[in-house]
Amino acid sequence: DQQVKQNSPSLSVQEGRISILNCDYTNSMFDYFLWYKKYPAEGPTFLISISSIKDKNEDGRFTVFLNKSAKHLSLHIVPSQPGDSAVYFCAVNLGSSNTGKLIFGQGTTLQVKP
Amino acid sequence: NAGVMQNPRHLVRRRGQEARLRCSPMKGHSHVYWYRQLPEEGLKFMVYLQKENIIDESGMPKERFSAEFPKEGPSILRIQQVVRGDSAAYFCASSWGTVNEKLFFGSGTQLSVL
Repeated sequence: DQQVKQNSPSLSVQEGRISILNCDYTNSMFDYFLWYKKYPAEGPTFLISISSIKDKNEDGRFTVFLNKSAKHLSLHIVPSQPGDSAVYFCAVNLGSSNTGKLIFGQGTTLQVKP
Repeated sequence: NAGVMQNPRHLVRRRGQEARLRCSPMKGHSHVYWYRQLPEEGLKFMVYLQKENIIDESGMPKERFSAEFPKEGPSILRIQQVVRGDSAAYFCASSWGTVNEKLFFGSGTQLSVL
């Protein structure tokens, strides 16, 4: 039972354009969402997060959108840069009772072409 | 300020042997988590520990797997009598606090069982 799904295994975009990575979840009780980025042979690094009380959070080139009614979140990267090429994981945290116990999606491999 | 340190980076074991994976959390962090990533999958939570205590081991296989985080020294994930299906990347993460703290991941240990 996949509670967090990233249906696109890969995405390729041109440098300077927008990258949109999508994530769907099944449980409306999830209340905290995160995106992690992972380079080969490295551990995931935190990118950006959003609480369920918001529908948007922005940090520089990265914006996360949350649509609670659709149980959907997306990560926008604009403009995309070659250094953004990595695997992106969305994750959910059930909140204070499950701190650090994240449920990850399968990941989307982003390739940004120069 | 060193990050989360995991060793070894690569570990090769034959079926039936024991595997010991070590993790030193970031300085000042007292919460440690272990995650496992099977090929083509996202990271799966295994266990959450604080010093000398297992807080949540709901993701640990019932047999052959154990984890500890002693008062002194690194956290250890121990896999007894390894089988081929244990081949995976094992990531350790640490955090300072509790509620919705972002996790800092190590670079992982790639376990290969021959």
